[in-house]
Amino acid sequence: ETGVTQSPTHLIKTRGQQVTLRCSSQSGHNTVSWYQQALGQGPQFIFQYYREEENGRGNFPPRFSGLQFPNYSSELNVNALELDDSALYLCASSLQVPNTEAFFGQGTRLTVV
Amino acid sequence: EDQVTQSPEALRLQEGESSSLNCSYTVSGLRGLFWYRQDPGKGPEFLFTLYSAGEEKEKERLKATLTKKESFLHITAPKPEDSATYLCAAPRSNTGNQFYFGTGTSLTVIP
Repeated sequence: ETGVTQSPTHLIKTRGQQVTLRCSSQSGHNTVSWYQQALGQGPQFIFQYYREEENGRGNFPPRFSGLQFPNYSSELNVNALELDDSALYLCASSLQVPNTEAFFGQGTRLTVV
Repeated sequence: EDQVTQSPEALRLQEGESSSLNCSYTVSGLRGLFWYRQDPGKGPEFLFTLYSAGEEKEKERLKATLTKKESFLHITAPKPEDSATYLCAAPRSNTGNQFYFGTGTSLTVIP
């Protein structure tokens, strides 16, 4: 059984640029969620994808968008990067069973300069 | 407003010195309380889920308990390898696994 994998592990971008982060979900999981974790803070929910459609969204602007593919892998896209977007971006996969645990990848550290 | 709050923010213990971490929540219609461990620069690792007041779960030196308003993570005779940030989380809705997280307790166990 493979775990959740994210790529790249680190990334440096310039303010105003666009970035795409990728996630492969754990084998057998059909739901992918994305979280943003600023330094010293807990993860903040961005959105979730199930059956290739957005299935819930946190308090993030539309320049944060995503995709889920038929193999359940997912992308997070962020347009018009701002300095405050610098954070650890976490992908979590789970089954679409309410109130059960999610399993996280190791994260992508994004630095916006 | 739904919220998950953890205390203390940081805790330093001598090896073998037991203590407890607190997680209080104001999430309406609680649908489970989740504990995760996070090592620096890594993603959270699932530890426990508690679903009802009075429930307890144990794993090695860790024991999680739940009341109607808060959860505790008790650490008995900790070792340096228990040093990590411990996060608690509650589901945002009943449609899936979308979580409110607390800010975490950073635990350091000194040999």
